[in-house]
Amino acid sequence: DIQMTQSPSSLSASVGDKVTFTCRASQSINIYLNWYQKKPGKAPKLLIYTASSLQSGVPSRFSGSGSGTDFTLTISNLQPEDFATYYCQQTYTTPLTFAQGTEVEAK
Amino acid sequence: EVQLLESGGGLVQPGGSLRLSCAASGFTFRNYAMSWVRQAPEKGLEWVSSIGGSGGDTHYADSVKGRITISRDNSKSTLYLQVNSLRAEDTAIYYCAKDHFPNNGRFDAFDIWGQGTMVTVSS
Repeated sequence: DIQMTQSPSSLSASVGDKVTFTCRASQSINIYLNWYQKKPGKAPKLLIYTASSLQSGVPSRFSGSGSGTDFTLTISNLQPEDFATYYCQQTYTTPLTFAQGTEVEAK
Repeated sequence: EVQLLESGGGLVQPGGSLRLSCAASGFTFRNYAMSWVRQAPEKGLEWVSSIGGSGGDTHYADSVKGRITISRDNSKSTLYLQVNSLRAEDTAIYYCAKDHFPNNGRFDAFDIWGQGTMVTVSS
């Protein structure tokens, strides 16, 4: 099975900050890496698919990059509604594993 | 509007069974692979199972293999998850989710999610 690891597990930031966190796969997954935002009591929301494609309706301050085993999600100009937990997921092969998540907290 | 609505969760004793349902609307259901994802209390997202558009291609997480069966009724636009031999560690919110791209021979990102249905396993 492909193991997914995110870092950091949590970070503190302020509105207006640029934040970047990483996701690493235990083997190459090409570009089959997706990012989701999860808020308490809400369903997950797709932000980025196939590493760098912005999902329709998602603000352009979200961006993704990477291929192979190393990927990043960047939020430029962090907004109050962006405080949440972010998960990466590989869809290269089953099992379609998620990483453990990165919680973005207000500083 | 594209929508997924789960039902069937509840409180069940260890060893019991449940069938979760996910009613889909607003898209051509048979054209998309579907999946179940769960989140246990204070834990992260865990992929549980996926099924291809025709229903013939099914995949399961090792943690549930042998106890869970995913199925779909394309005539009713409904996805199902039969969960047997329930354990305390199966306690979670169960979400159904739709693949982003129509049937293309692989599973893709999940672009639409239901609101989730809570399953609690306790005596």
